[in-house]
Amino acid sequence: GENVEQHPSTLSVQEGDSAVIKCTYSDSASNYFPWYKQELGKRPQLIIDIRSNVGEKKDQRIAVTLNKTAKHFSLHITETQPEDSAVYFCAALSSGGSNYKLTFGKGTLLTVNP
Amino acid sequence: EAGVTQFPSHSVIEKGQTVTLRCDPISGHDNLYWYRRVMGKEIKFLLHFVKESKQDESGMPNNRFLAERTGGTYSTLKVQPAELEDSGVYFCASSLGTGGYGYTFGSGTRLTVV
Repeated sequence: GENVEQHPSTLSVQEGDSAVIKCTYSDSASNYFPWYKQELGKRPQLIIDIRSNVGEKKDQRIAVTLNKTAKHFSLHITETQPEDSAVYFCAALSSGGSNYKLTFGKGTLLTVNP
Repeated sequence: EAGVTQFPSHSVIEKGQTVTLRCDPISGHDNLYWYRRVMGKEIKFLLHFVKESKQDESGMPNNRFLAERTGGTYSTLKVQPAELEDSGVYFCASSLGTGGYGYTFGSGTRLTVV
């Protein structure tokens, strides 16, 4: 089955700096890669996603890049703000026949210091 | 529209007791997923319902876990008898389509077995 590795497990940056979180996956058939943000005590929420036919996607201060050959994808947050502090999870969508499921990484606790 | 609702939000039970978690998906979402996050680890897939049928239960850890989805609406996840290693946050998610896209997560149930 699919295996997703996520690094780093914790990341602390100063407000205004950039933050990068990296993930690798094992199943070359995976074709959809969402990123979720979970603030303390709240539900994981989708912040950006990318499909395998695209190498990069950007939404304001957030961007995701995908390298299918190397099987890795990354989340980039620029001009970080304290409200960006949260746990971020990457995921890969794999299928076993007709069964689709998301496989998640272990999460990255991002702390943005004012 | 109402989101995915889970309750209870927290549950503390003793080893050997039974606990039932409930998830109400977004109305009209045929797909319902259960996931679990043990402290510091990945959000791990448990099972997937399409309407009232179990599409994929490959992630269920053992036969102490029983999931049901009566009439294709809300779902329950029963743990009987609970063990210490069952502690974690149990998330439910629902989606309209089967392809694994467009998950909406609930806020989770934090289960502590003592």
